[in-house]
Amino acid sequence: AQSVTQLDSHVSVSEGTPVLLRCNYSSSYSPSLFWYVQHPNKGLQLLLKYTSAATLVKGINGFEAEFKKSETSFHLTKPSAHMSDAAEYFCVVSVENTGGFKTIFGAGTRLFVKA
Amino acid sequence: IAGITQAPTSQILAAGRRMTLRCTQDMRHNAMYWYRQDLGLGLRLIHYSNTAGTTGKGEVPDGYSVSRANTDDFPLTLASAVPSQTSVYFCASSVEAGSPGPYGYTFGSGTRLTVV
Repeated sequence: AQSVTQLDSHVSVSEGTPVLLRCNYSSSYSPSLFWYVQHPNKGLQLLLKYTSAATLVKGINGFEAEFKKSETSFHLTKPSAHMSDAAEYFCVVSVENTGGFKTIFGAGTRLFVKA
Repeated sequence: IAGITQAPTSQILAAGRRMTLRCTQDMRHNAMYWYRQDLGLGLRLIHYSNTAGTTGKGEVPDGYSVSRANTDDFPLTLASAVPSQTSVYFCASSVEAGSPGPYGYTFGSGTRLTVV
């Protein structure tokens, strides 16, 4: 079975400081992993994805994530937060198994950015 | 602009009423999905369609039905709405059936439904 856990329901940072949003997963098969961002009253937008290529993945808006198989983690980072980064972020795991593909969304982490 | 259009953007609905949420995509994606988003629960899959003419049940299908008469449209119907169906509903699509594929899902902007 597969699951995804976002370790923080909300994170607050000051503008210009680093961002770390944590995501752990479990999967019996090799997963594809994604981060999505959702701004208020908007749909979800793909930030970045890991699909068994390079373990350090760069996405849009300066975000990146590192796939660590030994730690079953896929944490999202950004060196310097901007006010426009305030949003909700979802970690997603997708696995192909004998029953087909299954995609699971984490519960989300709300990022607050203080001026 | 290519993407997914959902309608209405918001709705207040009396309990017991029937309601259809509309979803149209213009990307010729094979697969389409309906999710509901509730605080603290993330997104949960209601129904999906791998290709036109086929549908399947997701994690929380009870009280909902879908149809996929063609590639572009994937309406979600609440036959008799109940307050627990108050939620934000997102329609999504992907190029490949059953998988986000290399480009992930494309999401609509959502329908905020309140059942009173």
